[in-house]
Amino acid sequence: DIQMTQSPSSLSASVGDRVTITCRASQDISNYLAWYQQKPGKVPKLLIYAASTLQSGVPSRFSGSGSGTDFTLTISSLQPEDVATYYCQKYNTAPHTFGQGTKLEIK
Amino acid sequence: EAQLVQSGAEVKEPGDSLKISCKGSGYRFTSYWIAWVRQRPGKGLEWMGIIYPGDFDIRYSPSFQGQVTISADYLINTAYLQWSSLKASDTAMYYCARLASEGLSNWFDPWGQGTLVTVSS
Repeated sequence: DIQMTQSPSSLSASVGDRVTITCRASQDISNYLAWYQQKPGKVPKLLIYAASTLQSGVPSRFSGSGSGTDFTLTISSLQPEDVATYYCQKYNTAPHTFGQGTKLEIK
Repeated sequence: EAQLVQSGAEVKEPGDSLKISCKGSGYRFTSYWIAWVRQRPGKGLEWMGIIYPGDFDIRYSPSFQGQVTISADYLINTAYLQWSSLKASDTAMYYCARLASEGLSNWFDPWGQGTLVTVSS
């Protein structure tokens, strides 16, 4: 099965910073990549699908890029409400494996 | 609007059996895959398996094959996740999620609210 590896596992940044999280697939998954945000005690929320398409209602400071095996999630200007754990997920075939998550905190 | 509503929290003892549910509404239940996802306390999301209620096609993660059973009843628009003998290590939040479009190659949206399963003696 294809493995999904995120980095870093955790990160601390200041309000207004540009934040980048990376996700690497162990095999080519084209653009079958989604990103989710999970705030503490909440249900995961879809942010991005097809590697770079922003889900309706998601703030434009979030963006995604990449194709093949390497992907990034970028927050252009970090806001306090962005404190959460972020997961990538591949969905080209089952199993729809998740990355291990990146916990984002405010410095 | 598509919605998934899961059954309530459960507290069980080791060795107990359990079946939790996920009821879909606002869409054609038989046309979309539904997945189950485990999240242990303080840990990440784990893909357990997936079912297509239209023809009962089921795929399991190797990690969960034989440990749980996924099923569905399309007459009442409900998917299930069940255990025959719970262990303490099954303590977790369990989410169901629908694939966003018809077909297996899709992201998850929407999600159910989660069912907390606690297994303790």
